[in-house]
Amino acid sequence: AQSVTQLDSHVSVSEGTPVLLRCNYSSSYSPSLFWYVQHPNKGLQLLLKYTSAATLVKGINGFEAEFKKSETSFHLTKPSAHMSDAAEYFCVVSAGRNYGQNFVFGPGTRLSVLP
Amino acid sequence: GAVVSQHPSRVICKSGTSVKIECRSLDFQATTMFWYRQFPKKSLMLMATSNEGSKATYEQGVEKDKFLINHASLTLSTLTVTSAHPEDSSFYICSAVLAGGPFEQFFGPGTRLTVL
Repeated sequence: AQSVTQLDSHVSVSEGTPVLLRCNYSSSYSPSLFWYVQHPNKGLQLLLKYTSAATLVKGINGFEAEFKKSETSFHLTKPSAHMSDAAEYFCVVSAGRNYGQNFVFGPGTRLSVLP
Repeated sequence: GAVVSQHPSRVICKSGTSVKIECRSLDFQATTMFWYRQFPKKSLMLMATSNEGSKATYEQGVEKDKFLINHASLTLSTLTVTSAHPEDSSFYICSAVLAGGPFEQFFGPGTRLTVL
């Protein structure tokens, strides 16, 4: 079984400052990890994914995340926040032989960007 | 590529009626699709796994007779909320996995259901 913890339910940053959204996971198998973004009343958009290749993963819109097995973490970062980054962010872990049914969502982190 | 659509995007219905939501993979075949429910300001909750040509697999606590799922083709899965009640009001999101491709779920834009 796997689980995901997003340590902050809400993060607020000023425009132009760095963003850090934290994610920790637990998994019995080697995991695949994903970050999705959801804008209000919209579906989910994939930001980036880790699937056992390079541990530092670059995604869209300047986001990146680093897989740290020793810390069981997959934190999402961005050097400089933009107003359009304000949204809900979900960390997702998937592992085991039946990937589809083991796609576990974290509780989400709401990112606010202040002018 | 890998676009998933949902129809309708928003629906309002009266209590006791049934509502059908469609999920389509527009440019790829999907042997497996998933249906999620999202409550306001909450994360996604997996309701069921829909497999083309076979019965859906429901998560614990999800009523199969209430939420009917049909996956009639490799590009279409439908979720029918039967005898809807106000507590069924929610945001329903589907996703699809590319048949034979690398594992990744492609999500639809969601359907907002409001039951009066």
